[in-house]
Amino acid sequence: DQQVKQNSPSLSVQEGRISILNCDYTNSMFDYFLWYKKYPAEGPTFLISISSIKDKNEDGRFTVFLNKSAKHLSLHIVPSQPGDSAVYFCAASGGGSQGNLIFGKGTKLSVKP
Amino acid sequence: GAGVSQSPSNKVTEKGKDVELRCDPISGHTALYWYRQSLGQGLEFLIYFQGNSAPDKSGLPSDRFSAERTGGSVSTLTIQRTQQEDSAVYLCASSYRDMSAPLHFGNGTRLTVT
Repeated sequence: DQQVKQNSPSLSVQEGRISILNCDYTNSMFDYFLWYKKYPAEGPTFLISISSIKDKNEDGRFTVFLNKSAKHLSLHIVPSQPGDSAVYFCAASGGGSQGNLIFGKGTKLSVKP
Repeated sequence: GAGVSQSPSNKVTEKGKDVELRCDPISGHTALYWYRQSLGQGLEFLIYFQGNSAPDKSGLPSDRFSAERTGGSVSTLTIQRTQQEDSAVYLCASSYRDMSAPLHFGNGTRLTVT
């Protein structure tokens, strides 16, 4: 029973174009959402987060959108760069899960030069 | 380096043996987490420490798994009588507060049980 779902295991995008990574969740009590990026043989690194009181958070080329009614969030990367090629994990917390940050299975992004 | 340090980076062990994985969190970080990632899967929560106590150990898969943290710093994850399904990358993360602050992950320990 996955509470955080990333339904696309992979995504391929041309350099300079927009990358859109999607994430759905089932627990309406989640109140904080994060995106992590992971390169091979390294631990995930924090990218960007959003609180449930907001619907958008922007940091440079990265923007996260939250649609609470649809229980959906997305990460936009524009323009995409080859160095963005990595696995992106969506994560959520809250709803009484004091120590449990729930992760999706990840989406592997490939940015082609 | 000021990041989260995990050792060993790789561990190959025979089925039935015990293993101990170590995590050195970022200095001053009170929260410490253990996750694991099996092949093709997402990150699976194991246990959370705040200081030396573990308010959430709900993710430990069986009583063969245990973890402790001493001095509010170093943590060890012990797996007794390892099984092949324990093979995974075990990731440790720390945070200066709790989940409301981003987690900083180590590079993980890749455990292979033969």
